[in-house]
Amino acid sequence: DAKTTQPPSMDCAEGRAANLPCNHSTISGNEYVYWYRQIHSQGPQYIIHGLKNNETNEMASLIITEDRKSSTLILPHATLRDTAVYYCIVGSSNDYKLSFGAGTTVTVRA
Amino acid sequence: NAGVTQTPKFQVLKTGQSMTLQCAQDMNHNSMYWYRQDPGMGLRLIYYSASEGTTDKGEVPNGYNVSRLNKREFSLRLESAAPSQTSVYFCASSATTGSGEKLFFGSGTQLSVL
Repeated sequence: DAKTTQPPSMDCAEGRAANLPCNHSTISGNEYVYWYRQIHSQGPQYIIHGLKNNETNEMASLIITEDRKSSTLILPHATLRDTAVYYCIVGSSNDYKLSFGAGTTVTVRA
Repeated sequence: NAGVTQTPKFQVLKTGQSMTLQCAQDMNHNSMYWYRQDPGMGLRLIYYSASEGTTDKGEVPNGYNVSRLNKREFSLRLESAAPSQTSVYFCASSATTGSGEKLFFGSGTQLSVL
């Protein structure tokens, strides 16, 4: 059974914020939320991860709800180069079996 | 730093042939992984190595063997290739920080089995 649920696709206008939702209603207390993206057929690229608190880095922001059952990845100013498949994953600190589902295909349009 | 390097980038095999996919990382990471990705699908874990000297099965290990040669290198072997093993193979590595696993991926090997 998948640990996360993401919409299969979404569009975003260039220069606007892209908000990518993810549901993880069965997340355990020691499990992190990770986001990766895969541009075309390249290897996936780590974006951000968090446990309880909201996180921000140079690529994106991660907003985790208080009950931790869902989260949102925010790309603040989407560019055409952000067109990719985005994967939301949950796993504990020593979880070596992170599962990449189908993800959300994000298309940024000019 | 090259990060995670995979060789070869492309390979065509005939059914029944064998081959080894090579992976090396220069980030001094303890853990290494092999995933496969079929068209239009997510990644599925084949094998992983939590630390040098250990290997464990992932979600789809059948038809594959692995060797953690040293801390840097983790190879994937197909003993008798089958058309169902046509896929893109990704190697990854990670360092356990106590605050989550960050995986770093190679650029992939596209394998076709005819």
